[in-house]
Amino acid sequence: DAMVIQNPRYQVTQFGKPVTLSCSQTLNHNVMYWYQQKSSQAPKLLFHYYDKDFNNEADTPDNFQSRRPNTSFCFLDIRSPGLGDAAMYLCATSRLGGAGNQPQHFGDGTRLSIL
Amino acid sequence: RKEVEQDPGPFNVPEGATVAFNCTYSNSASQSFFWYRQDCRKEPKLLMSVYSSGNEDGRFTAQLNRASQYISLLIRDSKLSDSATYLCVVKRSGGFKTIFGAGTRLFVKA
Repeated sequence: DAMVIQNPRYQVTQFGKPVTLSCSQTLNHNVMYWYQQKSSQAPKLLFHYYDKDFNNEADTPDNFQSRRPNTSFCFLDIRSPGLGDAAMYLCATSRLGGAGNQPQHFGDGTRLSIL
Repeated sequence: RKEVEQDPGPFNVPEGATVAFNCTYSNSASQSFFWYRQDCRKEPKLLMSVYSSGNEDGRFTAQLNRASQYISLLIRDSKLSDSATYLCVVKRSGGFKTIFGAGTRLFVKA
């Protein structure tokens, strides 16, 4: 039944070692988002894709990149993780079109730890 | 000033109590409004959308006041299982930009 699936649920990497988080969806939504959420803070939008159009938030560090090879999949690449990048990473999808009141659907998240 | 502000709480209430959360937003171009619920170390889950005329879903009632730029969530007859963080979410017109409040923590005690 899972509609937005993130892998892995938990990821441990070393300081500076590149890591990739993945997200897939079965909803056929045209928008996919990546958020970073640290403890007791609001989810912070990193970027989103509208179909193949990539939109980076102005304050997202260059260390974070994303790929969306097709409608169903989206990846978050962290090129050189620092200790401050330890967080929960949330993928979400939504459908744009029709009424503006389209909520986002979240995956379970990937909890990233940096050693 | 943050674009979406919520009282962080925590709200500690007994079972059966009625509790209300408020959320204010600063961007008048905001178009869509939602309440999400987030359990500890879990993903946010949609609780309800908020409509201009106000809407109710069982024990939950959401209200929107565009003139004053705030939304509210009322929970009646609180259950232990309502203990969670409640996130106010605002989408700007154009449909993409979504801003989350930092959340209000609720603890319902027996």
